[in-house]
Amino acid sequence: KQEVTQIPAALSVPEGENLVLNCSFTDSAIYNLQWFRQDPGKGLTSLLLIQSSQREQTSGRLNASLDKSSGRSTLYIAASQPGDSATYLCAVKSKSGDKLVFGAGTILRVKS
Amino acid sequence: EPEVTQTPSHQVTQMGQEVILRCVPISNHLYFYWYRQILGQKVEFLVSFYNNEISEKSEIFDDQFSVERPDGSNFTLKIRSTKLEDSAMYFCASSGQGAPGANVLTFGAGSRLTVL
Repeated sequence: KQEVTQIPAALSVPEGENLVLNCSFTDSAIYNLQWFRQDPGKGLTSLLLIQSSQREQTSGRLNASLDKSSGRSTLYIAASQPGDSATYLCAVKSKSGDKLVFGAGTILRVKS
Repeated sequence: EPEVTQTPSHQVTQMGQEVILRCVPISNHLYFYWYRQILGQKVEFLVSFYNNEISEKSEIFDDQFSVERPDGSNFTLKIRSTKLEDSAMYFCASSGQGAPGANVLTFGAGSRLTVL
């Protein structure tokens, strides 16, 4: 059974810092991995999707990497801004089945 | 930008009542999903739907739950007899052409269900 763990659970940084959020998964037979952002009481906004054959994806100040063999992904946020404050969720789709398995998220606060 | 629309945004109901949550997926998407998030817990998969039938469901999705795509645009989740533990945020999602895992899932803003 796929399990997804995210570290740290919470992070508070001053504006402008570069930061790394970590995601690990127990079953390396994945189809893809997706990073989402969730604002309080709101839905999930997709940030980046990495297919199992890819090593990284970039969008603006965000860069996500995937090391399938070690069961890890990182989300790198450059030059953080207060508007980046949110919960960041990692979700994995296994090769068998349709569902995404989510981690518990990292709550990020960027202080101005 | 296309979006997934969910109604209602918040519903309060009495235990034992039937609830229907509605979703309008992105128009050219083929795969549809319901997830839920109990307050303070992880987002959990409920069910996926493709070609007018359930393609996968979780252990949570028991006989009290059903899904339907009645008119080619709406996608509904029905809970027949709500329990206190059904209180959660329910998210609808859809994805596009090709294998379900190949594409980004687009989520709606959620419907918050409170069972009293």
